[in-house]
Amino acid sequence: SAVISQKPSRDICQRGTSLTIQCQVDSQVTMMFWYRQQPGQSLTLIATANQGSEATYESGFVIDKFPISRPNLTFSTLTVSNMSPEDSSIYLCSAPGDRDFLNEQFFGPGTRLTVL
Amino acid sequence: GESVGLHLPTLSVQEGDNSIINCAYSNSASDYFIWYKQESGKGPQFIIDIRSNMDKRQGQRVTVLLNKTVKHLSLQIAATQPGDSAVYFCAENSGTSYGKLTFGQGTILTVHP
Repeated sequence: SAVISQKPSRDICQRGTSLTIQCQVDSQVTMMFWYRQQPGQSLTLIATANQGSEATYESGFVIDKFPISRPNLTFSTLTVSNMSPEDSSIYLCSAPGDRDFLNEQFFGPGTRLTVL
Repeated sequence: GESVGLHLPTLSVQEGDNSIINCAYSNSASDYFIWYKQESGKGPQFIIDIRSNMDKRQGQRVTVLLNKTVKHLSLQIAATQPGDSAVYFCAENSGTSYGKLTFGQGTILTVHP
């Protein structure tokens, strides 16, 4: 399995500001993933963070709103830009536990964001 | 922590009973499935997985059944305990996009002592 940590664990932010969430994995992985979990909802994939290339975004998510960095094989950041109350969610990162089997994904504890 | 289950189906059982949580998936190309457990204030925890070339897989107190004909997945928890109370999600991968998971809506399991 992979051990994944996230910072911050939670934050309360003002409308119009931006927040950068950090994700750290205890092993080197080629792909990391960012998900959003809106209140009372399931998880929705935002983007795939590839080391050495641009992130790949899912339908409905754009780079200007959710810029992602992937500076090395153990770390990624997701920024939620120009926040509005609709961005209040839990943001989660995931990574594979086995470099030979990418589909087995493990999750961090999440960042609980409240936008006022 | 906050509740993630305000809009999700619920299942209530007595401690010691067996629990069955169901999930329907839509993508017939999906070939890998995972069950996750999410406790309040935490991220999803990997429970058990199954590949599409199997129809049953057992773990410790849990069994996953896969019926590809009707695109149905179930998680059986034996001798359910209060610590099993959580939201349970199924997730699927189509195999063409490695690592990308599509999640089901989730089920809130409440175990009464």
